[in-house]
Amino acid sequence: EIVLTQSPATLSLSPGERATLSCRASQSVSSYLAWYQQKPGQAPRLLIYDASNRATGIPARFSGSGSGTDFTLTISSLEPEDFAVYYCQQRSNWFLTFGPGTKVDIK
Amino acid sequence: QVQLQESGPGLVKPSQTLSLTCTVSGGSISSGGYYWSWIRQHPGKGLEWIGYIYYSGSTYYNPSLKSRVTISVDTSKNQFSLKLSSVTAADTAVYYCARYGAAAGLDYWGQGTLVTVSS
Repeated sequence: EIVLTQSPATLSLSPGERATLSCRASQSVSSYLAWYQQKPGQAPRLLIYDASNRATGIPARFSGSGSGTDFTLTISSLEPEDFAVYYCQQRSNWFLTFGPGTKVDIK
Repeated sequence: QVQLQESGPGLVKPSQTLSLTCTVSGGSISSGGYYWSWIRQHPGKGLEWIGYIYYSGSTYYNPSLKSRVTISVDTSKNQFSLKLSSVTAADTAVYYCARYGAAAGLDYWGQGTLVTVSS
C-alpha cells in the first residue's frame, strides 16, 4: 500500500500570502495525484488532478506540480475562502489512498 | 451537472450491516468512463477510500475493509450501493459517494451522510 505524507500538518498564514503544501508518496505514483479542499461540514472539492491539471472552475491561484514521489500544491495569494483543510490522493493499481491533510488557518 | 445523493439509515446497531445507496442524477452510470465510489470520514479525521464499482460490475475495495464490504450497481435506477457488514463503533463516520475518473479524480461528491453505530 502506498502511504501519502503531507506537510506541514498546519500552516498559519495571512490573506494575500503564498501557501505551499507538500505531499510525499512512499513510492512512485507517476502523476496520479490529486488535491482536494474541504471546509467544515462540506464534502471535499477537487482542485487538481494528474498532479498539475486544475479541475473545472478552480481559480488560477491554485497550482499543482511534481511527479513520482514529491508533489506540491501552491496557492499563490490566499483569499479568505481558501482557509480550509487540503488532502492529496493517489491512485496505484486502481486503489486509492489519501494523505492525512494540511490545515491552512488564519494567522 | 452531475449530482449524487446518499440515502440510508443514520443509526445502525453493532454487528449489523450498514446499507447506503447513492442516487446519481444529471448523468448515466451506464455511460462508462467513471468509477462510482464510496469514501468515509471518521469524526474530526481524514478521508478513507472504501471502494468503487464500474457500471459493468467490476469492483475494487480497500484491502483493510475488503472482507466486510460489498458495492453493487443498479444501472436501471442509476444507483449504486454500499454494504458494510459486522459494524462496530469504529465504523461511525460520514459516508460520501463520489464519481471517480481515472484522468479526472473524484470530481463529483454527494453531501455525505452521518452513520452512527450504536445500540
